[in-house]
Amino acid sequence: EDKVVQSPLSLVVHEGDTVTLNCSYEVTNFRSLLWYKQEKKAPTFLFMLTSSGIEKKSGRLSSILDKKELFSILNITATQTGDSAVYLCAVGLYGGSQGNLIFGKGTKLSVKP
Amino acid sequence: SQTIHQWPATLVQPVGSPLSLECTVEGTSNPNLYWYRQAAGRGLQLLFYSVGIGQISSEVPQNLSASRPQDRQFILSSKKLLLSDSGFYLCAWSVRGLGGRHYNEQFFGPGTRLTVL
Repeated sequence: EDKVVQSPLSLVVHEGDTVTLNCSYEVTNFRSLLWYKQEKKAPTFLFMLTSSGIEKKSGRLSSILDKKELFSILNITATQTGDSAVYLCAVGLYGGSQGNLIFGKGTKLSVKP
Repeated sequence: SQTIHQWPATLVQPVGSPLSLECTVEGTSNPNLYWYRQAAGRGLQLLFYSVGIGQISSEVPQNLSASRPQDRQFILSSKKLLLSDSGFYLCAWSVRGLGGRHYNEQFFGPGTRLTVL
């Protein structure tokens, strides 16, 4: 059975800290790995990774994929209270259901002032 | 730019009542459309997806159904709600490429929070 596991499930940090969120996966027909940020409502797209070792960066957020060890990390530097959210990791597959994603349960990040 | 709408935003329904949630997408044509449910403490669960008008695939057997009467409209329905149907329902879309190519990036609507009492 395909699965995506995120760790930790929750995390509390203070503003200015750097955090690393983990996502490991076991799937057949891996195509991509995606990160989303979910605040009160809809998840918003952050990154999509398809190649190992190539870092994607957007401001204070960055992510990298290791297809050999089957995991990805999401780093957030100099955290701010606005980074408080649930971060979702999802794996996209080739074939089968078109474009379907398998989601992890998320990491709830709380950034305290 | 593309926009995805869902309504209602919140809904409280008694057990055994019917359900109809609507999702529409603007600014794109021939999208793939998806319905997810997010229950407390659990991940996003794919319920249905559609690659075209009238084409619905079900991922999880349940008392819910979906329909796609128009290219950019996706409806989630139930004839009789159960307590276990409570949750946060999200509609999403993705680009459907030429020649059967599909894209994994999915973009979500604002969601409907359903409480069944």
